[in-house]
Amino acid sequence: EDQVTQSPEALRLQEGESSSLNCSYTVSGLRGLFWYRQDPGKGPEFLFTLYSAGEEKEKERLKATLTKKESFLHITAPKPEDSATYLCAVSGKTSYDKVIFGPGTSLSVIP
Amino acid sequence: DAGVTQSPTHLIKTRGQQVTLRCSPKSGHDTVSWYQQALGQGPQFIFQYYEEEERQRGNFPDRFSGHQFPNYSSELNVNALLLGDSALYLCASSRPGQGAEEQYFGPGTRLTVT
Repeated sequence: EDQVTQSPEALRLQEGESSSLNCSYTVSGLRGLFWYRQDPGKGPEFLFTLYSAGEEKEKERLKATLTKKESFLHITAPKPEDSATYLCAVSGKTSYDKVIFGPGTSLSVIP
Repeated sequence: DAGVTQSPTHLIKTRGQQVTLRCSPKSGHDTVSWYQQALGQGPQFIFQYYEEEERQRGNFPDRFSGHQFPNYSSELNVNALLLGDSALYLCASSRPGQGAEEQYFGPGTRLTVT
């Protein structure tokens, strides 16, 4: 069964303190791995799609990387406005558009 | 350009009742997916609609049903509500051919079952 786990559950960083969030996945043939950001009381906001091991994508202070079993979301010199829950999700080649989300990592960036 | 819109924003229902939630996709999008998000958890896939047909379904009972209209808007219906159905219900849309990739989510409908 397709599954996504994320660690840590929660992370507190000082402004400017870089760190990484982890997403481990099990899927029958990866079709895509997705990262979303969710602010309290709002729907998730799309960040990245990764398709194959070795792929990397960047957006401002965020960089997502992918291996055959994990993805990392690296946050460089975070700012308070980066505080949010970061969700990882996958879809498999057999399950197609049935997207499986992980529980998320709640990030707090302290000024 | 309006993004994905959902109505109502909040809803309170009693156990055993039925509820209908509505979603209008982002302009130019033809695929709509519905998710249930319990507090502190990630969204769980309920089903996806494309060309007015249910194309994919998650592990949800038949009490959960849906519909897609010719203008691509969609409804989620839940019958015989249970306390455990209390959650944030999210609608997501995507462009033709994008499927699960780069979904745009609405703000959600917060359903409380008492």
